[in-house]
Amino acid sequence: DVKVTQSSRYLVKRTGEKVFLECVQDMDHENMFWYRQDPGLGLRLIYFSYDVKMKEKGDIPEGYSVSREKKERFSLILESASTNQTSMYLCASSRDLNQPQHFGDGTRLSIL
Amino acid sequence: AQSVAQPEDQVNVAEGNPLTVKCTYSVSGNPYLFWYVQYPNRGLQFLLKYITGDNLVKGSYGFEAEFNKSQTSFHLKKPSALVSDSALYFCAVRSLMNTGFQKLVFGTGTRLLVSP
Repeated sequence: DVKVTQSSRYLVKRTGEKVFLECVQDMDHENMFWYRQDPGLGLRLIYFSYDVKMKEKGDIPEGYSVSREKKERFSLILESASTNQTSMYLCASSRDLNQPQHFGDGTRLSIL
Repeated sequence: AQSVAQPEDQVNVAEGNPLTVKCTYSVSGNPYLFWYVQYPNRGLQFLLKYITGDNLVKGSYGFEAEFNKSQTSFHLKKPSALVSDSALYFCAVRSLMNTGFQKLVFGTGTRLLVSP
């Protein structure tokens, strides 16, 4: 079974901090994704990566950046955290977009 | 742009009764459609997908979905609901971005509550 592991289940940070969310997958998938999930809005794509060191902006990239130095690891960075970035963050991976995406259990991030 | 709509925020059904969770889509070309389920404090899990072929797609945990091109719908169904089916369900469609890359566009989710 594919396993996608997010480093933290719950995280509390302060406004203005630089925040790192880490995600690791163990199935050698080419594609990795970061979403945020908010009630009533569903999942929205922040960034995705289709190969090492390659990235593409999703629908809501503002205030975020990403890093993919190794195939199995995809990091989401909040450059200067703000309260409106309080949310559930979900990482996913897939071999290609005709195949299902496999999700981690999420990081619930609170910015105070 | 490709999109999906889930018109019901919540669906209530008694255990043992059939359930339907609705999804309609708007795409240009042939749709690639997916259903995912999210249990409390967990990520999304894949249930089933439609790419081409039979309009009735069978998936995990006894779920199935019916693709209807004339009604642009892809409703999720199960003949007999279980209390353990209570969860949040998401419909999704593959969408082409301006950059030429593809992404999934998710609906807003439908909460299914199955009562004993």
